[in-house]
Amino acid sequence: QVQLVQSGAEVKKPGSSVKVSCKASGGTFSSHAINWVRQAPGQGLEWMGGIIPIFGTANYAQKFQGRVTIIADESTSTAYMELSSLRSEDTAVYFCARGYCSSTSCYFPHFFDYWGQGTLVTVSS
Amino acid sequence: AIQLTQSPSSLSASVGDRVTITCRASQGLSSALAWYQQKPGKAPELLIYDASSLESGVPSRFSGSGSGTDFTLTISSLQPEDFATYYCQQFNSYPHTFGQGTKLEIK
Repeated sequence: QVQLVQSGAEVKKPGSSVKVSCKASGGTFSSHAINWVRQAPGQGLEWMGGIIPIFGTANYAQKFQGRVTIIADESTSTAYMELSSLRSEDTAVYFCARGYCSSTSCYFPHFFDYWGQGTLVTVSS
Repeated sequence: AIQLTQSPSSLSASVGDRVTITCRASQGLSSALAWYQQKPGKAPELLIYDASSLESGVPSRFSGSGSGTDFTLTISSLQPEDFATYYCQQFNSYPHTFGQGTKLEIK
């Protein structure tokens, strides 16, 4: 059974950075995409970007370009999302989600079959 | 980016009712649409992919239809555990985008 387990809640100051982890088990980590989706309080879902671990290539939503970095460590089956220059509007629950794709097909858009439990990031002075 | 508009935004229904949620895309998607269910404080769960394919383990009372720009999610007979928020998501082109959600509440 595939499981994605995320790191715990964070409280950050405006202007700082946060790094959230997502550890996968029960599946083939490297050949599936890992995506990051966030959800502000009471709001909908917003895709931030994703990575294909076997290739190490990341793809970001234009809105977050320059502010988000997604990496993957194949040795530990863990993906990370770092968001910098935090502002209050970044307060949200951040989810990792596995792409239903394999290897090169992950370069194409895909849907998400497994999700992490979510990590609340609160940005407050 | 492709915009997805769900309707209604909220819906009140009773156990046993048949409900339909629609998702309209700003451009054609072929069948590249998925539906998710999200309960409060939980991650979304995949229900339907490729517009009409039922994810393994999802009850058969859920069904999806449509292609191009107009899609529907139907629950044939509402159960108590179905009261949640539902999202559509397109995977025709980057960036991945979601509808704004439809909150299904108990009448």
